This record gives sequence, structure tokens and C-alpha cells, in this order.
Amino acid sequence: QVHLVESGGGVVQPGKSLRLSCAASGFTFSTYGMHWVRQAPGKGLEWVALISYDGSNKKYADSVKGRFTISRDNSKNTLYLQMNSLRPEDTAVYYCAKGDGTLPDFWGQGALVAVSS
Amino acid sequence: QSVLTQPPSASGTPGQRVTISCSGSSSNIGSNTVNWYQQLPGTAPKLLIYSNNRRPSGVPDRFSGSMSGTSPSLAISGLQSEDEADYYCAAWDDSLNGPVFGGGTKLTVL
Repeated sequence: QVHLVESGGGVVQPGKSLRLSCAASGFTFSTYGMHWVRQAPGKGLEWVALISYDGSNKKYADSVKGRFTISRDNSKNTLYLQMNSLRPEDTAVYYCAKGDGTLPDFWGQGALVAVSS
Repeated sequence: QSVLTQPPSASGTPGQRVTISCSGSSSNIGSNTVNWYQQLPGTAPKLLIYSNNRRPSGVPDRFSGSMSGTSPSLAISGLQSEDEADYYCAAWDDSLNGPVFGGGTKLTVL
């Protein structure tokens, strides 16, 4: 079955960087687009970024454009999110999710990122 | 402020039927299909309904999605205590060029 495991979360100071990883298994990773979606404490879901199956097409939410970079390594079945210039408002649980068409279908368990001095 | 609008809360007693609405605009719900997600307390979201009204395998048929014109809704019949969760609608937005979510509806089983 589909299995997504995020890692790389933690506490980081404002202005610093962090890279999240998402290890995928149970499906043919290289044939699906992948999403990152975040959820601030006590808040709703906010889409962050999307990458096409082959990495050639990437889309970002305006709130992270220019600071975050989504990428993937299909040889390792792994999705990444490089987060630079982090702000306190980026504090959230970050979920990776398999894409089904344009929307997420299966979600990982999430990784907590806390931006605080 | 979420792009899609949902009621913040809903409630019902065991066995009842409840519905949750979702509204948007021509750039999202008006031109693309809707998914619904269930998020149980402390867990990741789970796909409940896709393409407006289709259920993934394993989702009980107590859960159903419908679209009346451009107004999607999620119905839960035979309400059970384990249905207490947050429910989110989502759709692709052609103007924002990405998925958008509703603010979520917290369902309480009384």
C-alpha cells in the first residue's frame, strides 16, 4: 500500500533554512505528481507546492514563492522541500501527499517545522 | 481567509444525517471537481471523496458527495461517534494555479 514518510522537521531560527524529505513506497513514484501541504497549529490546510511526475513542472503558493523549492529524485523515490528564509508564520506540520490528477489523494503523517528564536 | 468557504462547525446525534457545504467561485469549484478529506484528531488528512462524488475503496458508503449546480456538499448518514473530525473540501483553482482548500468544518457527534 502507499506509504509516505516525512523527515527533516525541527526547530529553526527565523531566516535560517531547513530541508524536508518524503520517502515514498507502495506505488510507482516516478509516474505521479507530488504535493507539499502545511497546517499551522490549530489552523486549516494550506497548499504549498506541487511537482510533476518528472520534475519538469513546479508550482508554488504565493506565500512561499521565491523562498521554498520543491524537487524530487525518482531514483530514490524521494520528494524534497528546501525551505529558505524561514519566518515564524511558516511554523506548521508539513505533509507530503501523492497527487491524483491535480489534487492530493494519499498523505504522509507529517513533519513539524517550528520557526522560533 | 480560505479561498473555499465551509461552515466552521456542524453537529448531529448518532444515527442522524448531516451535510457540510463548500462554496467557491468560477475559477475553482465552478470549473473543477471537488475532493473531500477527513482529518481525525491528531492524524493526517485522509481522502474521503474525489471527483465530487466518488469514494475511494475502504470508505464506507455512509459518506457521499454531491454537486448541486456549482455547490458541492458532503453528506454523512448514520452518524457515528468515530466520525468526529475536521472535514475539508478542496479544488484546483485556475486563477491561482494550484489547489485551494476550505477552512474546514469541525463535526461534533453529540
